Amino acid sequence: QKEVEQNSGPLSVPEGAIASLNCTYSDRGSQSFFWYRQYSGKSPELIMFIYSNGDKEDGRFTAQLNKASQYVSLLIRDSQPSDSATYLCAVARGNNRLAFGKGNQVVVIP
Amino acid sequence: GAVVSQHPSWVICKSGTSVKIECRSLDFQATTMFWYRQFPKQSLMLMATSNEGSKATYEQGVEKDKFLINHASLTLSTLTVTSAHPEDSSFYICSATLAGGGEETQYFGPGTRLLVL
Repeated sequence: QKEVEQNSGPLSVPEGAIASLNCTYSDRGSQSFFWYRQYSGKSPELIMFIYSNGDKEDGRFTAQLNKASQYVSLLIRDSQPSDSATYLCAVARGNNRLAFGKGNQVVVIP
Repeated sequence: GAVVSQHPSWVICKSGTSVKIECRSLDFQATTMFWYRQFPKQSLMLMATSNEGSKATYEQGVEKDKFLINHASLTLSTLTVTSAHPEDSSFYICSATLAGGGEETQYFGPGTRLLVL
């Protein structure tokens, strides 16, 4: 099993809809989880981090963490064309080293 | 705040030459910097952890003699790709964490694209 898995293929959503992205991780002891957005040809930029079980909201973004199921998700409400990007899930290992998933490409259709 | 820069943004070199990439934290001190590599359509792969004043810690499978890392100050880390070959062509990205303890958020530089001919 990969350390961080993002299995969904490209996600196309109409403008204004909700985009839902999922991520699972293998290390049950993981404590810190991050969602990064990466535009084509650019480096990642942090969207959110979450440490505790439950939901965390920041503007149009909501991260959800379920440590028992080893599952973290990201919801993007009222999707905009500018949200079209690849979204990377990352899990912190020891010494703040991040393990990244492959990413999910999101395409918001105007 | 928390701006990280990289230089150069693009580099093309001949096979067998060495290339140095700089990573700077512009408005904060970074105790720890990380170096990643990303091949097309792949995710970021951590290469090494760079701590100011000490030797870098390399991830399994990364050749420390090929990828030399120096973290001479709290604002500068360098990655030197020695004797570069075409398979080293990739997108190299650094990140930095804020010094002071407890901060886990990594701030990424804009990346350096390396093309080895």
